[in-house]
Amino acid sequence: GAVVSQHPSWVICKSGTSVKIECRSLDFQATTMFWYRQFPKKSLMLMATSNEGSKATYEQGVEKDKFLINHASLTLSTLTVTSAHPEDSSFYICSALRTQGGYTFGSGTRLTVV
Amino acid sequence: AQKITQTQPGMFVQEKEAVTLDCTYDTSDQSYGLFWYKQPSSGEMIFLIYQGSYDEQNATEGRYSLNFQKARKSANLVISASQLGDSAMYFCAMREGWGAQKLVFGQGTRLTINP
Repeated sequence: GAVVSQHPSWVICKSGTSVKIECRSLDFQATTMFWYRQFPKKSLMLMATSNEGSKATYEQGVEKDKFLINHASLTLSTLTVTSAHPEDSSFYICSALRTQGGYTFGSGTRLTVV
Repeated sequence: AQKITQTQPGMFVQEKEAVTLDCTYDTSDQSYGLFWYKQPSSGEMIFLIYQGSYDEQNATEGRYSLNFQKARKSANLVISASQLGDSAMYFCAMREGWGAQKLVFGQGTRLTINP
């Protein structure tokens, strides 16, 4: 079945540093990837939609300079949290749109900024 | 305005009982899709069931069925014969419009199955 590998599964970083999260589709081509953020016991909030080879579309209120999304290939999309601060601590999860419809989610990344 | 509303923050059910998780949605599009996902404590999103707006039959997948009432804009998830492993967060989500891609999620319902 379609699998999206998301790494790292958890990361702790110091305030002011940048963190990169990768989502890789293992057995299919993901032309569109969605990035979500989830606070504890809350819903998934869409941050941005990325299409391979083009700039990501960010949802209202999401800082594009802080959350850099790159989708340079059909199998890899990355989210970089730049100059991370404690308020960026959250669960980040990606989701790939499959060509035949449906979505495959990564396993998520728990980011803690100290 | 909320596109997807799940009014039950938490549900407690005895093992082997059936449970219904509520979901109402708001859209003016004729074409849309409704999804239910299960999220255990590990955080992964597990797809359960899908209902298209033009589907005349209610979707079923094993112990999961979707009670789709289009006129009322509701898409409740029914889990039959609940099991301890069903304890998790459950999210209803919608994809709306022709060619639409992004999913919008409801607030979620935390389901706890008691032995």
